[in-house]
Amino acid sequence: SAVISQKPSRDICQRGTSLTIQCQVDSQVTMMFWYRQQPGQSLTLIATANQGSEATYESGFVIDKFPISRPNLTFSTLTVSNMSPEDSSIYLCSVSVYNEQFFGPGTRLTVL
Amino acid sequence: QKEVEQNSGPLSVPEGAIASLNCTYSDRGSQSFFWYRQYSGKSPELIMSIYSNGDKEDGRFTAQLNKASQYVSLLIRDSQPSDSATYLCAVPEGGNNDMRFGAGTRLTVKP
Repeated sequence: SAVISQKPSRDICQRGTSLTIQCQVDSQVTMMFWYRQQPGQSLTLIATANQGSEATYESGFVIDKFPISRPNLTFSTLTVSNMSPEDSSIYLCSVSVYNEQFFGPGTRLTVL
Repeated sequence: QKEVEQNSGPLSVPEGAIASLNCTYSDRGSQSFFWYRQYSGKSPELIMSIYSNGDKEDGRFTAQLNKASQYVSLLIRDSQPSDSATYLCAVPEGGNNDMRFGAGTRLTVKP
């Protein structure tokens, strides 16, 4: 498995601002994934982040809104830009280890 | 679009009973399947993986896979109140092993 930490654990932000979420893993991993879980819903993949290349975004998610960095094999950031109340959600970082995915504790974002 | 379907529940069982959770998937080429447990306010936790047809047992949990019928199930024997959570079925979708999740089934085990 992998030990994953995320910062911040929660935040309350104003409409129009941006928030950067950090994800740190205790071991080197090739793929890191960012998911969103809206209240009462299941998980939706935002993008896949591979070190050294641009992130691959799922349908409905764009780089201008959710820019991602992956500077090394243990770290990634997701920025939620120009936030609106519809962005209120839990954002989860995950990694794949031997074909199994493990999740960080999540970042609970509330946009006012 | 590849789909993973679950009965959202809620499913309520008495303590000590068997809880049965079901999941169907649309991609016949899928080779691996995962069950996650998510407590309220927490992130998903991997509890079972299954790759071959048949049953896989781990303690009180049994995963069952039938590729011909495209369904995977999770049985929880001797259910405990601590098993009360949402159970998510997940199937890898792309070459990067990113997961497509079902809607989840909320299970309540009543003492």
